[in-house]
Amino acid sequence: DGGITQSPKYLFRKEGQNVTLSCEQNLNHDAMYWYRQDPGQGLRLIYYSQIVNDFQKGDIAEGYSVSREKKESFPLTVTSAQKNPTAFYLCASSTRGPAEAFFGQGTRLTVV
Amino acid sequence: GENVEQHPSTLSVQEGDSAVIKCTYSDSASNYFPWYKQELGKGPQLIIDIRSNVGEKKDQRIAVTLNKTAKHFSLHITETQPEDSAVYFCAARGNSGGSNYKLTFGKGTLLTVNP
Repeated sequence: DGGITQSPKYLFRKEGQNVTLSCEQNLNHDAMYWYRQDPGQGLRLIYYSQIVNDFQKGDIAEGYSVSREKKESFPLTVTSAQKNPTAFYLCASSTRGPAEAFFGQGTRLTVV
Repeated sequence: GENVEQHPSTLSVQEGDSAVIKCTYSDSASNYFPWYKQELGKGPQLIIDIRSNVGEKKDQRIAVTLNKTAKHFSLHITETQPEDSAVYFCAARGNSGGSNYKLTFGKGTLLTVNP
Protein backbone atom coordinates (compact mmCIF):
# COMPACT_ATOMS: atom_id res chain seq x y z
CA ASP A 1 0.00 0.00 0.00
CA GLY A 2 1.25 3.46 -0.86
CA GLY A 3 1.17 6.00 1.89
CA ILE A 4 2.93 8.03 4.53
CA THR A 5 3.91 6.45 7.83
CA GLN A 6 4.76 8.17 11.08
CA SER A 7 6.28 6.43 14.06
CA PRO A 8 5.87 6.07 16.92
CA LYS A 9 2.20 6.90 17.50
CA TYR A 10 2.87 7.96 21.10
CA LEU A 11 6.16 9.24 22.49
CA PHE A 12 7.16 10.31 25.97
CA ARG A 13 10.21 12.42 26.63
CA LYS A 14 11.90 13.70 29.72
CA GLU A 15 12.66 17.39 29.90
CA GLY A 16 16.09 18.20 28.49
CA GLN A 17 16.18 15.27 26.07
CA ASN A 18 16.19 15.42 22.29
CA VAL A 19 13.79 13.12 20.47
CA THR A 20 13.41 12.20 16.79
CA LEU A 21 10.08 11.56 15.07
CA SER A 22 10.10 9.37 11.99
CA CYS A 23 8.25 10.06 8.72
CA GLU A 24 8.50 7.80 5.68
CA GLN A 25 6.56 7.94 2.39
CA ASN A 26 6.47 5.59 -0.58
CA LEU A 27 4.43 7.88 -2.83
CA ASN A 28 7.49 9.17 -4.72
CA HIS A 29 6.63 12.71 -3.59
CA ASP A 30 9.23 15.45 -3.84
CA ALA A 31 7.84 17.68 -1.09
CA MET A 32 7.51 16.79 2.59
CA TYR A 33 6.28 18.82 5.56
CA TRP A 34 6.12 18.80 9.34
CA TYR A 35 3.20 20.45 11.14
CA ARG A 36 2.48 20.90 14.81
CA GLN A 37 -1.11 20.81 16.06
CA ASP A 38 -2.26 22.28 19.37
CA PRO A 39 -5.88 22.63 20.50
CA GLY A 40 -7.46 25.71 18.95
CA GLN A 41 -4.33 26.52 16.93
CA GLY A 42 -4.89 24.58 13.76
CA LEU A 43 -1.85 23.23 11.94
CA ARG A 44 1.32 25.28 12.10
CA LEU A 45 4.22 24.61 9.73
CA ILE A 46 7.55 23.70 11.35
CA TYR A 47 9.76 22.78 8.36
CA TYR A 48 9.26 21.78 4.76
CA SER A 49 11.41 20.26 2.05
CA GLN A 50 10.88 20.58 -1.69
CA ILE A 51 13.64 18.22 -2.72
CA VAL A 52 16.33 15.94 -1.30
CA ASN A 53 19.10 17.72 0.62
CA ASP A 54 17.10 20.93 0.82
CA PHE A 55 14.66 22.24 3.43
CA GLN A 56 13.23 25.55 4.66
CA LYS A 57 12.01 26.84 7.98
CA GLY A 58 8.31 27.22 8.44
CA ASP A 59 6.49 29.51 10.84
CA ILE A 60 7.60 27.87 14.12
CA ALA A 61 11.02 26.29 13.44
CA GLU A 62 12.76 27.33 16.66
CA GLY A 63 13.76 24.33 18.77
CA TYR A 64 13.35 21.86 15.88
CA SER A 65 15.71 20.40 13.28
CA VAL A 66 15.22 18.21 10.20
CA SER A 67 17.19 16.38 7.53
CA ARG A 68 16.29 15.18 4.04
CA GLU A 69 18.98 12.74 3.00
CA LYS A 70 16.57 10.45 1.14
CA LYS A 71 13.49 11.29 -0.91
CA GLU A 72 11.27 8.99 1.14
CA SER A 73 12.36 10.12 4.61
CA PHE A 74 12.03 13.41 6.52
CA PRO A 75 12.79 12.93 10.26
CA LEU A 76 12.06 15.70 12.75
CA THR A 77 14.17 16.21 15.87
CA VAL A 78 12.58 18.04 18.79
CA THR A 79 15.49 19.49 20.73
CA SER A 80 15.74 20.52 24.36
CA ALA A 81 15.59 24.13 23.14
CA GLN A 82 11.90 23.73 22.28
CA LYS A 83 10.13 25.36 25.22
CA ASN A 84 6.78 23.64 24.94
CA PRO A 85 7.17 20.43 22.92
CA THR A 86 4.03 18.59 24.08
CA ALA A 87 1.81 18.47 20.97
CA PHE A 88 0.47 16.36 18.12
CA TYR A 89 2.95 16.27 15.21
CA LEU A 90 1.84 15.62 11.65
CA CYS A 91 3.98 14.81 8.63
CA ALA A 92 2.73 15.28 5.07
CA SER A 93 3.97 14.87 1.52
CA SER A 94 2.92 16.07 -1.91
CA THR A 95 3.99 16.33 -5.51
CA ARG A 96 5.16 19.67 -6.84
CA GLY A 97 2.70 22.43 -7.64
CA PRO A 98 -0.96 22.78 -6.61
CA ALA A 99 -1.59 19.18 -5.55
CA GLU A 100 -3.02 17.29 -2.61
CA ALA A 101 -0.91 16.84 0.50
CA PHE A 102 -1.20 13.41 2.11
CA PHE A 103 -0.91 13.25 5.89
CA GLY A 104 0.40 10.57 8.20
CA GLN A 105 -1.55 9.50 11.28
CA GLY A 106 0.51 11.68 13.60
CA THR A 107 2.76 11.29 16.62
CA ARG A 108 1.61 12.52 20.00
CA LEU A 109 4.62 13.75 21.97
CA THR A 110 4.33 14.27 25.71
CA VAL A 111 7.08 15.74 27.88
CA VAL A 112 7.11 14.20 31.34
CA GLY B 1 3.29 35.38 4.01
CA GLU B 2 -0.11 33.82 3.54
CA ASN B 3 -2.73 34.17 6.29
CA VAL B 4 -5.90 32.06 6.33
CA GLU B 5 -8.87 32.91 8.53
CA GLN B 6 -11.60 30.32 9.12
CA HIS B 7 -15.10 30.75 10.58
CA PRO B 8 -16.90 29.60 12.58
CA SER B 9 -14.68 27.78 15.07
CA THR B 10 -17.59 25.56 16.12
CA LEU B 11 -20.77 24.64 14.28
CA SER B 12 -23.65 22.51 15.48
CA VAL B 13 -26.42 21.38 13.10
CA GLN B 14 -29.28 18.92 13.07
CA GLU B 15 -28.98 15.81 10.95
CA GLY B 16 -30.21 16.57 7.43
CA ASP B 17 -29.46 20.28 7.61
CA SER B 18 -26.71 22.02 5.64
CA ALA B 19 -23.41 23.26 7.05
CA VAL B 20 -21.29 26.07 5.66
CA ILE B 21 -17.72 26.90 6.67
CA LYS B 22 -15.99 30.01 5.33
CA CYS B 23 -12.34 30.94 4.84
CA THR B 24 -10.50 34.03 3.67
CA TYR B 25 -6.91 34.25 2.49
CA SER B 26 -4.49 37.12 2.11
CA ASP B 27 -2.10 36.20 -0.73
CA SER B 28 -3.69 36.94 -4.10
CA ALA B 29 -1.09 34.64 -5.74
CA SER B 30 -2.46 31.55 -3.96
CA ASN B 31 -3.83 29.07 -6.48
CA TYR B 32 -4.85 25.90 -4.63
CA PHE B 33 -7.44 25.57 -1.87
CA PRO B 34 -8.00 22.17 -0.23
CA TRP B 35 -10.38 21.19 2.55
CA TYR B 36 -9.44 18.52 5.07
CA LYS B 37 -11.49 16.49 7.54
CA GLN B 38 -9.81 15.33 10.73
CA GLU B 39 -11.27 12.75 13.08
CA LEU B 40 -10.08 12.50 16.66
CA GLY B 41 -6.52 11.22 17.01
CA LYS B 42 -6.00 10.85 13.25
CA GLY B 43 -4.28 12.75 10.48
CA PRO B 44 -6.31 15.09 8.23
CA GLN B 45 -7.77 13.64 5.05
CA LEU B 46 -8.56 15.61 1.91
CA ILE B 47 -12.28 15.78 1.16
CA ILE B 48 -12.34 18.27 -1.71
CA ASP B 49 -10.08 20.85 -3.32
CA ILE B 50 -10.37 23.66 -5.84
CA ARG B 51 -7.88 25.42 -8.06
CA SER B 52 -7.90 29.10 -8.85
CA ASN B 53 -9.18 28.68 -12.41
CA VAL B 54 -12.46 27.19 -11.15
CA GLY B 55 -15.28 28.93 -9.27
CA GLU B 56 -17.13 25.92 -7.90
CA LYS B 57 -16.63 22.19 -7.49
CA LYS B 58 -19.04 19.56 -6.24
CA ASP B 59 -18.64 15.97 -5.07
CA GLN B 60 -21.90 14.35 -3.94
CA ARG B 61 -22.95 16.13 -0.73
CA ILE B 62 -19.87 18.35 -0.57
CA ALA B 63 -19.20 21.50 -2.59
CA VAL B 64 -16.59 24.24 -2.50
CA THR B 65 -16.91 27.74 -3.93
CA LEU B 66 -14.08 30.18 -4.62
CA ASN B 67 -14.30 33.95 -5.06
CA LYS B 68 -10.82 35.10 -6.14
CA THR B 69 -11.75 38.76 -6.21
CA ALA B 70 -12.86 38.73 -2.60
CA LYS B 71 -10.22 36.14 -1.64
CA HIS B 72 -12.60 33.81 0.09
CA PHE B 73 -13.73 30.22 -0.33
CA SER B 74 -16.40 28.15 1.38
CA LEU B 75 -17.24 24.52 2.11
CA HIS B 76 -20.86 23.44 1.82
CA ILE B 77 -22.09 20.12 3.21
CA THR B 78 -25.70 19.22 2.43
CA GLU B 79 -27.91 16.58 4.06
CA THR B 80 -25.49 16.28 6.99
CA GLN B 81 -25.09 12.95 8.76
CA PRO B 82 -23.67 12.13 12.23
CA GLU B 83 -20.54 10.69 10.58
CA ASP B 84 -19.80 14.16 9.18
CA SER B 85 -18.96 15.22 12.74
CA ALA B 86 -15.24 16.11 12.80
CA VAL B 87 -12.85 19.04 12.61
CA TYR B 88 -12.62 20.63 9.17
CA PHE B 89 -9.64 22.66 7.98
CA CYS B 90 -9.29 24.93 4.99
CA ALA B 91 -5.90 25.71 3.50
CA ALA B 92 -4.29 27.78 0.79
CA ARG B 93 -1.13 27.14 -1.20
CA GLY B 94 0.97 30.01 -2.48
CA ASN B 95 2.33 30.44 -5.96
CA SER B 96 5.15 32.91 -5.58
CA GLY B 97 8.87 32.43 -5.13
CA GLY B 98 9.71 29.67 -2.67
CA SER B 99 6.23 29.47 -1.21
CA ASN B 100 4.64 27.40 -3.95
CA TYR B 101 4.82 24.23 -1.90
CA LYS B 102 3.72 25.71 1.38
CA LEU B 103 0.19 25.03 2.63
CA THR B 104 -1.16 27.49 5.18
CA PHE B 105 -4.08 26.23 7.25
CA GLY B 106 -7.01 27.89 8.97
CA LYS B 107 -7.55 27.13 12.66
CA GLY B 108 -10.28 24.61 12.03
CA THR B 109 -14.04 24.23 12.57
CA LEU B 110 -15.48 21.62 14.92
CA LEU B 111 -18.65 20.40 13.23
CA THR B 112 -21.17 18.48 15.32
CA VAL B 113 -24.15 16.85 13.61
CA ASN B 114 -26.89 16.02 16.11
CA PRO B 115 -29.07 12.98 15.32
